[in-house]
Amino acid sequence: KQEVTQIPAALSVPEGENLVLNCSFTDSAIYNLQWFRQDPGKGLTSLLLIQSSQREQTSGRLNASLDKSSGRSTLYIAASQPGDSATYLCAPPPTGNTPLVFGKGTRLSVIA
Amino acid sequence: NAGVTQTPKFQVLKTGQSMTLQCAQDMNHNSMYWYRQDPGMGLRLIYYSASEGTTDKGEVPNGYNVSRLNKREFSLRLESAAPSQTSVYFCASSEGTVKGYTFGSGTRLTVV
Repeated sequence: KQEVTQIPAALSVPEGENLVLNCSFTDSAIYNLQWFRQDPGKGLTSLLLIQSSQREQTSGRLNASLDKSSGRSTLYIAASQPGDSATYLCAPPPTGNTPLVFGKGTRLSVIA
Repeated sequence: NAGVTQTPKFQVLKTGQSMTLQCAQDMNHNSMYWYRQDPGMGLRLIYYSASEGTTDKGEVPNGYNVSRLNKREFSLRLESAAPSQTSVYFCASSEGTVKGYTFGSGTRLTVV
């Protein structure tokens, strides 16, 4: 059974800092890994999807890397802004053609 | 706008009542999912439909039934609601179970 751990559970940083969110998973035979953002009381918004053949994906100030062999992914946020405050979730699928499994997320607060 | 639409957004039920949560997507996706989100538990898969005509149990299927009505619509039914089913329910869709997911905005259900 795929198990996903996200560290830290919560993070508070001043505006402008660069930061790294970590995700580890137990079953490394995955097809891809997706990072999501969830604002309080809202649904999930997809940020980045990394295919298993890729090592990283970039979108604006976000960069996500994937190391299947070690069962890890990191989400790097450059020059953080108060609008980045949200919960960030990583989701690797289990092996085979089965749905995403979610970590409990990292709750990020960026202080102006 | 293209996406996943869930109805209703909010619902209060009495213990023992039944209801159906509706989900529709207009992206021609093959796969659809129902997750629930509880504080401290993260997102857990209830049921999914890998393609039209198929449904499978997820991690927490007890007390729920689903119907893949057609390619666009996937409903979740609570036959006899219990307080333990108080949660936020999210529907999602993807081209396939190993493709990127799109989530609806959620249904906040309270069972009293």
